[in-house]
Amino acid sequence: RKEVEQDPGPFNVPEGATVAFNCTYSNSASQSFFWYRQDCRKEPKLLMSVYSSGNEDGRFTAQLNRASQYISLLIRDSKLSDSATYLCVVNIVGNQFYFGTGTSLTVIP
Amino acid sequence: GAVVSQHPSRVICKSGTSVKIECRSLDFQATTMFWYRQFPKQSLMLMATSNEGSKATYEQGVEKDKFLINHASLTLSTLTVTSAHPEDSSFYICSAFERLSTQYFGPGTRLTVL
Repeated sequence: RKEVEQDPGPFNVPEGATVAFNCTYSNSASQSFFWYRQDCRKEPKLLMSVYSSGNEDGRFTAQLNRASQYISLLIRDSKLSDSATYLCVVNIVGNQFYFGTGTSLTVIP
Repeated sequence: GAVVSQHPSRVICKSGTSVKIECRSLDFQATTMFWYRQFPKQSLMLMATSNEGSKATYEQGVEKDKFLINHASLTLSTLTVTSAHPEDSSFYICSAFERLSTQYFGPGTRLTVL
């Protein structure tokens, strides 16, 4: 079983739509959680950390459910520039990280 | 966020030559750096974990004699692809781990072996 699982998509949504991605993790001892964004032919960039209480950054909301071992990312009012691959990343302990395979999002005009 | 540089950004070389890629954390000290490889339309694949002052830990299937990693300081790690072949052509990305935070990625190196 993979440490981190994501639906690869692709998700194709119209501009202005709300879209949500989920990611599940297998290790209950996981400590930290992150969403990264990767544009085509570029490096991944940290989008946001995910906190137990949930956190919001503009149109982006991240949530963590430890009981069910999943994290989510909600994007409201999608923009064309949101088109990218979104990576779910879990930090088990110290420098041990596991990456999801990424979810592809295309926002259509 | 923290800044990580990677050099060169692009390299084209002949088969059989060696290529060295540098990864630097510019505004923090990184006890751990990671090296990844990504083929077109595929996921990131972790190649090795590099800890400052010690030998790198390689993932299964990654040849340590072919991909030489050196992490001599808290801000610099290097990956040398030795005797490169066309199948080594890929996008190589490093990341630096900021303690109590997360990984920050360099901009990547696109390697083409002719």
